[in-house]
Amino acid sequence: GENVEQHPSTLSVQEGDSAVIKCTYSDSASNYFPWYKQELGKRPQLIIDIRSNVGEKKDQRIAVTLNKTAKHFSLHITETQPEDSAVYFCAASTGDYKLSFGAGTTVTVRA
Amino acid sequence: NAGVTQTPKFQVLKTGQSMTLQCAQDMNHEYMSWYRQDPGMGLRLIHYSVGAGITDQGEVPNGYNVSRSTTEDFPLRLLSAAPSQTSVYFCASSYGQGAYNEQFFGPGTRLTVL
Repeated sequence: GENVEQHPSTLSVQEGDSAVIKCTYSDSASNYFPWYKQELGKRPQLIIDIRSNVGEKKDQRIAVTLNKTAKHFSLHITETQPEDSAVYFCAASTGDYKLSFGAGTTVTVRA
Repeated sequence: NAGVTQTPKFQVLKTGQSMTLQCAQDMNHEYMSWYRQDPGMGLRLIHYSVGAGITDQGEVPNGYNVSRSTTEDFPLRLLSAAPSQTSVYFCASSYGQGAYNEQFFGPGTRLTVL
């Protein structure tokens, strides 16, 4: 099955700086790559996703890039704010019935 | 709309006991799934369903059963609880019949098995 690896496991950034989280996947048939944010004690919520027919997608301060050749995708958060502190999960799907998640990155934004 | 709801929020079981975690959604989603979340391991798929009457195994199905008699409900049964099943359990649902759309998660159930 699909194996998704996520790095780093923890990330501390100064408010206003950028944060980058990287994920690699094993199944070359994967074509859907969402990112979820989970605040402490809350449920995961989708923040952005990308499909294999595009290389980059932006939504305000967040962006995702996809390199299908290298089988990796990344989440970029610019101008970080305290409310960006959370656990972020990447995931991959071949478009069938299963979504495989990475282990998560705990992001802390220092004021 | 309530979205995805789960009950109970917290549960403590003794080894060997059985119980059912409830999940319901009011968005008429075809696809529903159960995940467990453990520290440092992300979310792992237990079972999923692509519609009423259809269920299948995910990544970590052992020790769990599911059924889908209606579109709205997708209960998860622990047959004989073990300490290794101590975890936070999330139910999720989405449009369509696959894991290729936004997953809407419930609030979670924190289960402790003693």
